[in-house]
Amino acid sequence: DIQVTQSPSSLSASVGDRVTFTCRASQDISDALSWFQQRPGQAPKLLIYDTSSLQSGVPSRFSASGSGTDFTLTINSLQPEDVATYYCLQDYTTPYSFGQGTKLEIK
Amino acid sequence: QVQLVESGGGVVQPGTSLRLSCAASGFIFSSHIMHWVRQAPGKALEWVALTSYDGGEKKYAASVKGRFSVSRDNSKSTVYLDMKDLTPEDSAVYYCARGGFDLLSDRLDSWGQGTLVNVSS
Repeated sequence: DIQVTQSPSSLSASVGDRVTFTCRASQDISDALSWFQQRPGQAPKLLIYDTSSLQSGVPSRFSASGSGTDFTLTINSLQPEDVATYYCLQDYTTPYSFGQGTKLEIK
Repeated sequence: QVQLVESGGGVVQPGTSLRLSCAASGFIFSSHIMHWVRQAPGKALEWVALTSYDGGEKKYAASVKGRFSVSRDNSKSTVYLDMKDLTPEDSAVYYCARGGFDLLSDRLDSWGQGTLVNVSS
């Protein structure tokens, strides 16, 4: 089974900052990686699919890149409403697997 | 708009069974893969199972294989998760999510609000 590791586990940044999250897969997953945002008390929300495709309705300050085993999610100009936990998911092969999440806080 | 509503959660004793349901609306249900994902309190998301658009293909996480069964009724736009031999480690919020049309174009793009399962004696 494919393992997915996210870093860091938590992150604190100021409004307006650029923040980057990292996700690493235990084997080559091509571009089969998605990113989700989960605000406190809410269901997850799809932000990015196929490594870099922005889901409809998601603000353009979110972007992502990567391939193979290493992937990143970037938020340009951090906003207060971005406080959440961010998860990556490999959907290259079943069983699918999520990373352990990165909790983002505002300084 | 896409709507997914889970139901069937509750407090159950270890070793018992439970059926979760997820009623879908706002899209052509019979065209989409459907997923179950769970989240134990304070923990990360864990993918649980999927069913193909017609129910012909089903996949499971190792942690639930042999105990959980996913099924769907396209005439009712509903997906089910039958869980047996429950243990406290199965306690979680269970979400259903809409997938893509096939495994090559899969993405979990809409989620329900979840139903809480608490396995406790």
